[in-house]
Amino acid sequence: AQSVTQPDIHITVSEGASLELRCNYSYGATPYLFWYVQSPGQGLQLLLKYFSGDTLVQGIKGFEAEFKRSQSSFNLRKPSVHWSDAAEYFCAVGTYSGGGADGLTFGKGTHLIIQP
Amino acid sequence: EPEVTQTPSHQVTQMGQEVILRCVPISNHLYFYWYRQILGQKVEFLVSFYNNEISEKSEIFDDQFSVERPDGSNFTLKIRSTKLEDSAMYFCASSPTGVGNEKLFFGSGTQLSVL
Repeated sequence: AQSVTQPDIHITVSEGASLELRCNYSYGATPYLFWYVQSPGQGLQLLLKYFSGDTLVQGIKGFEAEFKRSQSSFNLRKPSVHWSDAAEYFCAVGTYSGGGADGLTFGKGTHLIIQP
Repeated sequence: EPEVTQTPSHQVTQMGQEVILRCVPISNHLYFYWYRQILGQKVEFLVSFYNNEISEKSEIFDDQFSVERPDGSNFTLKIRSTKLEDSAMYFCASSPTGVGNEKLFFGSGTQLSVL
């Protein structure tokens, strides 16, 4: 079965500084990879996804992530964070058996704090 | 952008009571899901639903849980006899196709508190 590890529970970054959130996955085949963001009181919003092709994917709000098969990683990056980026970030892995409707497996999340 | 709508946003119930959480998926979507997030823990998959039947379910989704699409628009999660450990945020999601090919659209969740 697939699994996702987000090693950092909390990360504090100064506004304007760069950001990298780590994600490692375990899955036997090439996974479908996602990053979601959850702001307080809100649902999960998709930032970006990787299915195939270019290993560097661009998402919304200036985020990008790079799939590295050799490291089983899909780290999320942003060159300059804004105070509004403070939220909970979830990495997820999905599978598609062809029958459809497979569930996503989420990591435990990383809580991002932005300091002035 | 179209949205998945969940009602109520908060639900408080007594242990042993039945609760129904309601969701209105995006109208042209075909796959529907329930996830839950216990406070401080990760988001967990509960069940997926396609073509009016359960497609996949996790170990969490035991006989106390059921899902239904009673009409053309609503998708409900019923917990027959709630337990304290059912307290969580429950997210509904929908997708035009299975998760491998399209993103999931999540609702803003229903916070269930079992007392």
